[in-house]
Amino acid sequence: EVQLVESGGGLVQPGGSLRLSCAASGFSFSDYWMHWVRQGPGKGLVWVSRIKSDGSTTTYADSVRGRFTISRDNAENTLYLQMNSLRAEDTAVYYCARGFGSHYFDFWGQGILVTVSS
Amino acid sequence: DIVMTQSPDSLAVSLGERATINCKSSQSVLSSSNNKNYLAWYQQKPGQPPKLLIYWASTRESGVPDRFSGSGSGTDFTLTVSSLQADDVAVYYCQQYYSTPFTFGQGTKLEIK
Repeated sequence: EVQLVESGGGLVQPGGSLRLSCAASGFSFSDYWMHWVRQGPGKGLVWVSRIKSDGSTTTYADSVRGRFTISRDNAENTLYLQMNSLRAEDTAVYYCARGFGSHYFDFWGQGILVTVSS
Repeated sequence: DIVMTQSPDSLAVSLGERATINCKSSQSVLSSSNNKNYLAWYQQKPGQPPKLLIYWASTRESGVPDRFSGSGSGTDFTLTVSSLQADDVAVYYCQQYYSTPFTFGQGTKLEIK
């Protein structure tokens, strides 16, 4: 059974940092592109970042480029999102999602809440 | 960036009736190299993550009931629920994966009349 389990969320002050993790199981993690997608409170879905199966290629939304870093450890089957210089507008539920190729998202984790507030 | 616009924002349909949700992209998401539309539909129920329903605009994901269908090409797409069931109450999103940043429509809330 495919499972994606996010962790590392919580309350952080503006300007602070947080690292999210997504533990994958039930599939060959190193074969898949992986993505982060976020959803603000009561809002829609916003794609944040993606990383190629071997980690060689990363892409970011303009709103997080230069502040967030996506990475992966294929030996540990884990996806990461390092979030620095956090702003109130980064408050959201963050989902990790498996990519079919570099395309649509065929499986999603349950999500983890990040709250940026003083 | 490709802007995805869904209509309507909300929709109330009687059980057993047809529900139609539209999605329009600001530029074509049809690839000339493989003649595929880079468009997906997702269903999100309250408190749950999104679930993939349709990809390549009209291919149903495994396990998705056949009352869900997708159609359209280029810039105009439709998700149809042929006979609404109570379990279909959710917010539905279209998404383009033609180019980054991948973008979603604003969502359509589907309810029972």
